[in-house]
Amino acid sequence: GIQVEQSPPDLILQEGANSTLRCNFSDSVNNLQWFHQNPWGQLINLFYIPSGTKQNGRLSATTVATERYSLLYISSSQTTDSGVYFCAAYGGSNYKLTFGKGTLLTVNP
Amino acid sequence: NAGVTQTPKFQVLKTGQSMTLQCAQDMNHEYMSWYRQDPGMGLRLIHYSVGAGITDQGEVPNGYNVSRSTTEDFPLRLLSAAPSQTSVYFCASTRAPEGEQFFGPGTRLTVL
Repeated sequence: GIQVEQSPPDLILQEGANSTLRCNFSDSVNNLQWFHQNPWGQLINLFYIPSGTKQNGRLSATTVATERYSLLYISSSQTTDSGVYFCAAYGGSNYKLTFGKGTLLTVNP
Repeated sequence: NAGVTQTPKFQVLKTGQSMTLQCAQDMNHEYMSWYRQDPGMGLRLIHYSVGAGITDQGEVPNGYNVSRSTTEDFPLRLLSAAPSQTSVYFCASTRAPEGEQFFGPGTRLTVL
């Protein structure tokens, strides 16, 4: 199956800073999702983005399927952005999302 | 519209006990899945279902059983709990193959 690698594994920011999280995948993928796992453990859907760029408020994501990576941009970070960010992709199986190990983001006030 | 719901939120079992984790969705999604999340790792697929009466194994199916008698419900059964099954369990659903998946709030299970 495909491998999904995320970087960096940990990131500490001051409130107001911008950041870029990266997701690389080992093979072609058909669809990709970004999630935010908040400190209470809930998985929040951020983007469903097989290719191209999407924006939602301070967050945006870009997937370049031909080069096998996706980027999540967080601008003007807030303490509520803290948590773990996961990317997950379908590849090879129509029903199985393969997850990366996540990026732990800490935003300090 | 409640989305994906899971019960219980927390559970402690002794080794060898059995239990069922409940999952329900009200979005009329055909496809449902169970994942487990262990510390420092992403989620791994246990079992999935492509419709009522149809289930299949995922990446880590051993020790778990599923059935799908209705579109709405997809329970996960632990047959004889083991400490290695201590984890957080998430249920998910999607409308179509490779579709956007929506996750429930999770069940935190500890096996002593």
